[in-house]
Amino acid sequence: DAKTTQPNSMESNEEEPVHLPCNHSTISGTDYIHWYRQLPSQGPEYVIHGLTSNVNNRMASLAIAEDRKSSTLILHRATLRDAAVYYCILRSSNAGNMLTFGGGTRLMVKP
Amino acid sequence: DTGVSQDPRHKITKRGQNVTFRCDPISEHNRLYWYRQTLGQGPEFLTYFQNEAQLEKSRLLSDRFSAERPKGSFSTLEIQRTEQGDSAMYLCASSLKMRLAGSGNEQFFGPGTRLTVL
Repeated sequence: DAKTTQPNSMESNEEEPVHLPCNHSTISGTDYIHWYRQLPSQGPEYVIHGLTSNVNNRMASLAIAEDRKSSTLILHRATLRDAAVYYCILRSSNAGNMLTFGGGTRLMVKP
Repeated sequence: DTGVSQDPRHKITKRGQNVTFRCDPISEHNRLYWYRQTLGQGPEFLTYFQNEAQLEKSRLLSDRFSAERPKGSFSTLEIQRTEQGDSAMYLCASSLKMRLAGSGNEQFFGPGTRLTVL
């Protein structure tokens, strides 16, 4: 799987929007962009995924750059429960089924 | 609770002992994965099953590690002759194979088994 680059950590205030960036300049045409998050002392949980178009679900929005070399996970109103490590993962539809996690971004939410 | 469950949640063992972990996936999921996570790092893939067949193994899975999924339901991960470097969180995940490639296949993770090797 192609590599992703994320900031090590970010801070946000409660009830404000959060934009978590991810760079994936070597993305290929068959790569889907997946986001997972891991709350303290829990296993990772799926957040959202997309291919080319922006995506919304009940947890977050995913904005994908037109050239697909970067994407942004948007939490519209951060809560204290959103404090977690957020992982941006590229997953090829042609490759194996494992998830290749990088270091992720540790999001801290201040009350 | 219909999520992925893992047992035990914590295991402390002495170097050289064997340990076995169990994972019960979501009942209709045909794919099951094992990952290992050390402190401060993202999870690393170990192996995956589709039904009872073990289809992929990472180079991280040394010959001291063995995983089984005998009836395509629960899975076990055994580590023989444990070493201090095996201390980690062992995560299990399951998913449902979709007909359309890339259409989600989101993985659902269990809470993990934390192994400490003294």
